[in-house]
Amino acid sequence: AQKVTQAQTEISVVEKEDVTLDCVYETRDTTYYLFWYKQPPSGELVFLIRRNSFDEQNEISGRYSWNFQKSTSSFNFTITASQVVDSAVYFCALSEPARDDKIIFGKGTRLHILP
Amino acid sequence: NAGVTQTPKFQVLKTGQSMTLQCAQDMNHEYMSWYRQDPGMGLRLIHYSVGAGITDQGEVPNGYNVSRSTTEDFPLRLLSAAPSQTSVYFCASSYAGDEKLFFGSGTQLSVL
Repeated sequence: AQKVTQAQTEISVVEKEDVTLDCVYETRDTTYYLFWYKQPPSGELVFLIRRNSFDEQNEISGRYSWNFQKSTSSFNFTITASQVVDSAVYFCALSEPARDDKIIFGKGTRLHILP
Repeated sequence: NAGVTQTPKFQVLKTGQSMTLQCAQDMNHEYMSWYRQDPGMGLRLIHYSVGAGITDQGEVPNGYNVSRSTTEDFPLRLLSAAPSQTSVYFCASSYAGDEKLFFGSGTQLSVL
């Protein structure tokens, strides 16, 4: 069955430090999709990235970068030069479209950026 | 565009009462889903739908019913509310089950 593990429940770093949020997934399918979402203190859920299982290239978007490694079933998220506005809960999610249409989320990592 | 609209934003129920959480989207999305968010538990899938007339169970379906009579609407029904259903509920939609989700603003439900 599909499963997403975010082992880091809560992380605190000082502003301008780099921080990596870990995501480990389990799947029996060769075709799957991975996602990251952000939930700021205001509560809304914001999409950050979608990656399919056939694209292992790392992606960079400004201060955000994602490292997808099929060998370790990981899809980690790094924030470079963190800012207070990055404080949020971050969720990793997995979809297995060939099996069913469920999108399953991890338990999330709460990130505190300290000024 | 309004996107995904959830109502109400807040609701307090007594144990045993019933209610319906409304969810509507105006993006012509085929896929819609309901999640509940509890502290330390992340987002857990309750029910989902891949199109009008089709629904399926997620991870935590017990105590909840859904229907999908139109593409736009996906209501979530609590037939007999229990304190364990106290949670924040999010409705979401997308073009397909492997596409990014658009979330509503959430409903904070308390069952006393």
